[in-house]
Amino acid sequence: EDKVVQSPLSLVVHEGDTVTLNCSYEVTNFRSLLWYKQEKKAPTFLFMLTSSGIEKKSGRLSSILDKKELFSILNITATQTGDSAVYLCAVVDNYGQNFVFGPGTRLSVLP
Amino acid sequence: DTAVSQTPKYLVTQMGNDKSIKCEQNLGHDTMYWYKQDSKKFLKIMFSYNNKELIINETVPNRFSPKSPDKAHLNLHINSLELGDSAVYFCASSQDWAGTEAFFGQGTRLTVV
Repeated sequence: EDKVVQSPLSLVVHEGDTVTLNCSYEVTNFRSLLWYKQEKKAPTFLFMLTSSGIEKKSGRLSSILDKKELFSILNITATQTGDSAVYLCAVVDNYGQNFVFGPGTRLSVLP
Repeated sequence: DTAVSQTPKYLVTQMGNDKSIKCEQNLGHDTMYWYKQDSKKFLKIMFSYNNKELIINETVPNRFSPKSPDKAHLNLHINSLELGDSAVYFCASSQDWAGTEAFFGQGTRLTVV
């Protein structure tokens, strides 16, 4: 059965800190890994990763995938209170039909 | 201009009732999904439709029945509601079933009393 594990489950930091969120997975016929940010309501898309070793970057956020070791990390530099959210990792199999989500990492950024 | 819209946003109902949640996407996507997010915030897929055809039907009680009148709509009907059905239900869509990113609706918070 496909499985996604995220760590830590919860993280409290202060503004300006850098954080690294981890996502490891077991999936048959891996196709892609996606990161989402969920604040109060719907998850919003951050990144989609399909190839190992290629960093995706958007402002202070960046992410990279290691298909050999079956994990991805999401980095946030110079954190701000607005980064407080649950960050969800999901993997998609090669048939693209099933998004399997991890439990999420709840990030709290204190002023 | 909302890409994926769900109605209602909140739904409070009594046990045993039948209710529906509607979902519409204006992105021209072929694939739509229903997810249930439980109290621990765990998102779990329930159904997936591609071009009105059921693709995924996870282990969900048959009281839950999705209906896709066209590829822009995927409604969720729930019969004989139970307390354990209380959760947030998210609709999502993606361009196709090839693993492209999914865009989520704002969720429907269902409370069964």
